[in-house]
Amino acid sequence: EAQVTQNPRYLITVTGKKLTVTCSQNMNHEYMSWYRQDPGLGLRQIYYSMNVEVTDKGDVPEGYKVSRKEKRNFPLILESPSPNQTSLYFCASSLRAGGYTEAFFGQGTRLTVV
Amino acid sequence: QKEVEQNSGPLSVPEGAIASLNCTYSDRGSQSFFWYRQYSGKSPELIMSIYSNGDKEDGRFTAQLNKASQYVSLLIRDSQPSDSATYLCAVNRDSNYQLIWGAGTKLIIKP
Repeated sequence: EAQVTQNPRYLITVTGKKLTVTCSQNMNHEYMSWYRQDPGLGLRQIYYSMNVEVTDKGDVPEGYKVSRKEKRNFPLILESPSPNQTSLYFCASSLRAGGYTEAFFGQGTRLTVV
Repeated sequence: QKEVEQNSGPLSVPEGAIASLNCTYSDRGSQSFFWYRQYSGKSPELIMSIYSNGDKEDGRFTAQLNKASQYVSLLIRDSQPSDSATYLCAVNRDSNYQLIWGAGTKLIIKP
């Protein structure tokens, strides 16, 4: 089954404790991205990757890191989480960057930083 | 001004009626427009895509695009309670091809 898999689904952590949210897709998509979703603000892009070893900042990259060492995986790293990073996070992939392609989303990760 | 604007709602529509959802965008160079549906606590899923001016129909759904007015809409005919969800409008940004998302319109279909 074609899918984007995120883990964990739920995470509660303390301020400053490094964490990683994993994202994997099995559709051989070139393009992957991370979003956070907050009430009233919609989906905001954190980082994106056009292909292996190619990553770039989205609209809200502060406090996050990513890597793309393999085509299928695109982990999101919070080196020192803070309470303002409490949010619902989605990983998405699509066949290629640009328009004209559908974005497929993971199940989401609800992160709480206390 | 937000790049993609939607009325947050909630929009309440009787079952069987037509639901009309609207979205405006600011980037005149945008070429791709999408409507996604998101149930509470779930991930967004694609409903419709539209790339040229005019109407595009798929079953009970019709997407309408007017690039001159920078306006895209989604019509849902014969609304069902299962259509109750938040509808997200997404537009590609011409400068870097990234998708920009509206905050979504919450739609409630009343039986």
